[in-house]
Amino acid sequence: DTEVTQTPKHLVMGMTNKKSLKCEQHMGHRAMYWYKQKAKKPPELMFVYSYEKLSINESVPSRFSPECPNSSLLNLHLHALQPEDSALYLCASSQGVTGGNYGYTFGSGTRLTVV
Amino acid sequence: AQSVTQLDSQVPVFEEAPVELRCNYSSSVSVYLFWYVQYPNQGLQLLLKYLSGSTLVESINGFEAEFNKSQTSFHLRKPSVHISDTAEYFCAVSDHFGGNTPLVFGKGTRLSVIA
Repeated sequence: DTEVTQTPKHLVMGMTNKKSLKCEQHMGHRAMYWYKQKAKKPPELMFVYSYEKLSINESVPSRFSPECPNSSLLNLHLHALQPEDSALYLCASSQGVTGGNYGYTFGSGTRLTVV
Repeated sequence: AQSVTQLDSQVPVFEEAPVELRCNYSSSVSVYLFWYVQYPNQGLQLLLKYLSGSTLVESINGFEAEFNKSQTSFHLRKPSVHISDTAEYFCAVSDHFGGNTPLVFGKGTRLSVIA
């Protein structure tokens, strides 16, 4: 298995809702990432987990809450989002934080719309 | 710290014409270099990478990139583009010696192939 699987592919939520994005990989990668990507912009790093511990938080608002239940799973819990949080949310994984010999493997993303 | 500059935000080119997407990097240490491609509404896919050895690396779909240490560049080229090559292309750099620094992405170049 050489994929990163993200669910759901599309999500519409109201500003008072609570929802979660899920990411799964079975490549034995020990680093996992959440990125946010606005239209026609590069991905912006949000969080990095290394060996299931949060190692980098890029000053992301607390309405985004990451969780890494085990080495294969990464969640992003969403609460009280704003319309400007609408974006493509990408999950990625790699052998190590720097990417090593293989770079990062990305999922296909969750298209989030906040209404 | 590493940084990546993609000099062109948009590159329009006619079908079957050659194309070069430029990437320059800055780093105080040895680096790994990557090109990723993103098709509309999808995640990023690894196109090719330079780790060491031959400075010319190739992808399976006809793209190639050449690592030039003296010019700190890793430009992406294709001798004859197809409509299906229309996408966003991201150059990325990582620290060759490991550590805890994630991949650094450029701002991207949008390649538009015109029929």
